[in-house]
Amino acid sequence: AQSVTQLDSQVPVFEEAPVELRCNYSSSVSVYLFWYVQYPNQGLQLLLKYLSGSTLVKGINGFEAEFNKSQTSFHLRKPSVHISDTAEYFCAVSVKTGANNLFFGTGTRLTVIP
Amino acid sequence: NAGVTQTPKFQVLKTGQSMTLQCAQDMNHEYMSWYRQDPGMGLRLIHYSVGAGITDQGEVPNGYNVSRSTTEDFPLRLLSAAPSQTSVYFCASAHRSGTGGDTQYFGPGTRLTVL
Repeated sequence: AQSVTQLDSQVPVFEEAPVELRCNYSSSVSVYLFWYVQYPNQGLQLLLKYLSGSTLVKGINGFEAEFNKSQTSFHLRKPSVHISDTAEYFCAVSVKTGANNLFFGTGTRLTVIP
Repeated sequence: NAGVTQTPKFQVLKTGQSMTLQCAQDMNHEYMSWYRQDPGMGLRLIHYSVGAGITDQGEVPNGYNVSRSTTEDFPLRLLSAAPSQTSVYFCASAHRSGTGGDTQYFGPGTRLTVL
């Protein structure tokens, strides 16, 4: 079975400050890792994903994430946030030999304060 | 391309009523899925399909039916609505590369309230 833990349900941060959103996962089999973003009243869109190779993954809108196998973590970072980054962020995993099904964390609401 | 479309955007039902949430995609994706989003619980998989004629259950399938007669459409049926099915429902689709890790494209969602 797989599980995803997002340790912070809400993260307020001032504009132009750095941010880190934390994600830990648990799985008995190998998984792929994803971060999705949901802007208010919209569907989800992919920020970035880790499949293999370099453990530092760069995504859209200046976000990046680092896969740490020993700590089973996949934290999301941005060096300088903008007002437009205010959204809900979801970490998710899918089983490598599976059908693409995603198992999501409970989400982190990022609020950027002017 | 319209991507993934869902209808209706909003729906209010009474307990016991049935309805179908529609989902269509124009990207010729083999994989389609339905998730429900509840506050504090993230998204949970209801049902999924890896191709026309093939469907399977996800984490929370009870009270829902699906079918996949075409590549484009993947409707979700609520047989007898219950207040516990009040939620936001998202449909998603993905191209199956065969190696996994494929990006899922989400629709805009249907907000369902069951009274």
